[in-house]
Amino acid sequence: QSVLTQPPSASGTPGQRITISCSGSSSNIGSNFVYWYQQLPGTAPKLLMYKNNQRPSGVPDRFSGSKSGTSASLAISGLRSEDEADYYCAAWDDSLRGPVFGGGTILTVL
Amino acid sequence: QVQLQESGPGLVKPSETLSLTCTVSGGSVSSNSYYWSWIRQPPGKGLEWIGDIYYSGSTNHNPSLKSRVIISIDTSKNQFSLKLTSVTAADTAVYYCARDQRPPRGWFDPWGQGTLVTVSS
Repeated sequence: QSVLTQPPSASGTPGQRITISCSGSSSNIGSNFVYWYQQLPGTAPKLLMYKNNQRPSGVPDRFSGSKSGTSASLAISGLRSEDEADYYCAAWDDSLRGPVFGGGTILTVL
Repeated sequence: QVQLQESGPGLVKPSETLSLTCTVSGGSVSSNSYYWSWIRQPPGKGLEWIGDIYYSGSTNHNPSLKSRVIISIDTSKNQFSLKLTSVTAADTAVYYCARDQRPPRGWFDPWGQGTLVTVSS
């Protein structure tokens, strides 16, 4: 069982907007930044969002992040087929003294 | 552009020690701005942080792995390494090395391409 909770799957049609949630606690999301990683099939995870809502260079502005209390969300607008991937949230956990991940969300573009 | 590359045996026997090395190019493991981490992903499953090391040699590890984890750093070779002792089939996974900010922590970028380690006799 992962420390951070994500829905196992999400889906949408091209052009649609979808959101992926990530739920934690006061020791992780509630007191630290949230990060999102995108893992395309057969590849290593790649940083998608840092410090809750900051996009690294090269990440389209179709991707956005938000955080409120002990939960965070990743939104993808204008969904495209190349967005099909696994998405993971992560945050530092003060109690465990280490980073923790969500279980991952498999995004399918129908 | 910093790049990381994992290397090591792809097959380890049960009860033996898994050993992997991460070679860093385009950057220095001696930087005081980063931690150098190991993360694994069992087949079809999610990500698990194993542990990390700072240039000074200070280490942290996931309590769930208890005392089986040994992480070291070789600044002369610009590498850091992972040893996981007494492995079982549950340790079969793709192992990634990654750079983490200091602080804030949990900011893994970049990642190595990963290497599959299978534990089997």
